[in-house]
Amino acid sequence: GQQLNQSPQSMFIQEGEDVSMNCTSSSIFNTWLWYKQDPGEGPVLLIALYKAGELTSNGRLTAQFGITRKDSFLNISASIPSDVGIYFCAGDRNSGGSNYKLTFGKGTLLTVNP
Amino acid sequence: KAGVTQTPRYLIKTRGQQVTLSCSPISGHRSVSWYQQTPGQGLQFLFEYFSETQRNKGNFPGRFSGRQFSNSRSEMNVSTLELGDSALYLCASSLFREGHYEQYFGPGTRLTVT
Repeated sequence: GQQLNQSPQSMFIQEGEDVSMNCTSSSIFNTWLWYKQDPGEGPVLLIALYKAGELTSNGRLTAQFGITRKDSFLNISASIPSDVGIYFCAGDRNSGGSNYKLTFGKGTLLTVNP
Repeated sequence: KAGVTQTPRYLIKTRGQQVTLSCSPISGHRSVSWYQQTPGQGLQFLFEYFSETQRNKGNFPGRFSGRQFSNSRSEMNVSTLELGDSALYLCASSLFREGHYEQYFGPGTRLTVT
């Protein structure tokens, strides 16, 4: 099935550094979402993007919906140890609310060294 | 407000058996989606229910089925279990608001098939 290409697969950084990850697709998506998953838990919604070109922040997190609607990126500034986890991008190709089906990237494993 | 709850959290079954997993969505959410998460395939969409009707279905065999009750609670069933069905099964409930869906995940049910 349709997959989103998420990169990098993993990152190992020092506390305080900024982080950037992205997702690309060959198809257009009308919604981009970014989730974080901790071990043994379900994904938690971080940021939702609904318009091409939209730039949205949530604390130290900033995400953008690419202008072509085929990509999105997530930045984390001044990383802290609790940022450790797997970050997923997800997209929905539908619009108008008639149905809802998310396609997920394979995730970026982030490790933060204190 | 209580989040999405899933029961049981852990389950061990034998090949050939069947299993039923349960999901209670966030109060007021009428859409419930199910996903399978494995290390190799990542998060894969199974199906979505809205008002007791299946609106969307992923590419899984007919052994995977689900239903939704009038109170929006949902169950998914897997019959004739195979080793490859071992996975984390995630339920997500969604609220359609201001023209967009917001989707929230439960903690998942970890199914191990031996």
